[in-house]
Formats: sequence, C-alpha cells, structure tokens
Amino acid sequence: AIQLTQSPSSLSASVGDRVTITCRASQGISSALAWYQQKPGKAPNLLMYDAATLESGVPSRFSGSGSGTDFTLTISSLQPEDFATYYCQQFNTYPLTFGGGTKVEIK
Amino acid sequence: QVQLEQSGAEVKKPGASVKVSCKTSGYIFTGYYIHWVRQAPGQGLEWMGWVNPNGGGTVSAQTFQGRVTMTTDASINTAYMELSGLRSDDTAVYYCARGWGVLRALNLYYWGQGTLVTVSS
Repeated sequence: AIQLTQSPSSLSASVGDRVTITCRASQGISSALAWYQQKPGKAPNLLMYDAATLESGVPSRFSGSGSGTDFTLTISSLQPEDFATYYCQQFNTYPLTFGGGTKVEIK
Repeated sequence: QVQLEQSGAEVKKPGASVKVSCKTSGYIFTGYYIHWVRQAPGQGLEWMGWVNPNGGGTVSAQTFQGRVTMTTDASINTAYMELSGLRSDDTAVYYCARGWGVLRALNLYYWGQGTLVTVSS
C-alpha cells in the first residue's frame, strides 16, 4: 500500500499566519491526491482534489500543489474557522490511503 | 440534497460481528459507489473499501479482507458494512461516504454522520 507521510503532525499558528502542510507519498501517485479538513466530532470535508483543484465553495485562501511524491497544502491567511485537522488522501492506487493528519492549533 | 444517514452506536463483545447501515437520499442510489472509512479514537482515517450498488461489486483493503462484508439494498437506498471477528482495536467511528460524481468516485465529498462501534468485554 502507498504510505502518505504528513508533516508536521501538529502546528500552532495565529490568525493571519501563512501555513504550509506537506504530504509525501511512498511512491509516485501523479496528481491523484485530495485534501480534507476535519473538525472535532465531525466527518471530514473535502477541500481539494487532483492535488491543486479547489472544491467548490472552499475559500481561495486554500491552495494545493505538487505531483509525483511531494505535495503541499497552503493556507495563505489562517482564519479562526481553519483550526482543524487536515488529511491528505491518495486515490491513484488501491487501497486508498490517508496521511496521518496535521492538527492546526491556535497559538 | 444528498444525504447519508447512518445507524446508531453499537457496543459489541470481542469476536462478535457488527452491521452498520447507511441510508441515502437525494440522488440515484445505483449511480455511485459507497465507501466505508473508519477512525479509531484520536487517530487518523482508514479506508476500508467500497461497494457498487449497481451489481454489488466490492473492493476492500487487504487489511479487512475476510472480515468485512459490504452490501446494498437498492429497494431502500441503503448500504451496509458488516465487520466480523471484532477486536478491541476495531473500536472506531465508522463512516459511509460517497464520491462527488461518477468521474470523481474516489474523492469523498458526501459523508454520513458516523457510527461509533465500541468493542469491549
């Protein structure tokens, strides 16, 4: 199975900060990567797919990049509602796999 | 609007089986795979597999092969996930989910609310 390694596993940031989360795949997955946001007690919410395509309704402060094995999710100016855990997911090869998550906390 | 409504929390003993349901509405049930994803307490997301309501075909993660059975009942627009041989490390919230569309079947856009399954003696 393809392993996805996210870093950092957690970070503390302030409102207005620029935040970058990385996701590294154990083998090439082209651009078959999605990003999800999850808040406590809630189901995940799809933010982005195909590595860099923003899901409809997701604020433009979110952006994604990468292909092959290295990917990033960037939040250009962190907002109070962005404090959550973020997961990457590859859909290039079965089984679908998720990264271990990055928890974004308030500084 | 698309909705996925899951059955309630379950408490099971080790070795038992659990069957979680996912009742869907707001779209043509047979047109989209239903995925199952679980999340142990304080842990990340783990994909279990999908079931195709059009014909019943399934793909599951090898981790669960032999223990998971995913089925559907198109007459009531409902999908089921049954996990057997429960162990304490199967304690988790189990989610059903659906892709955004036919061409994006593996991007999980619609989610159920989750079903907590607790395995304890």
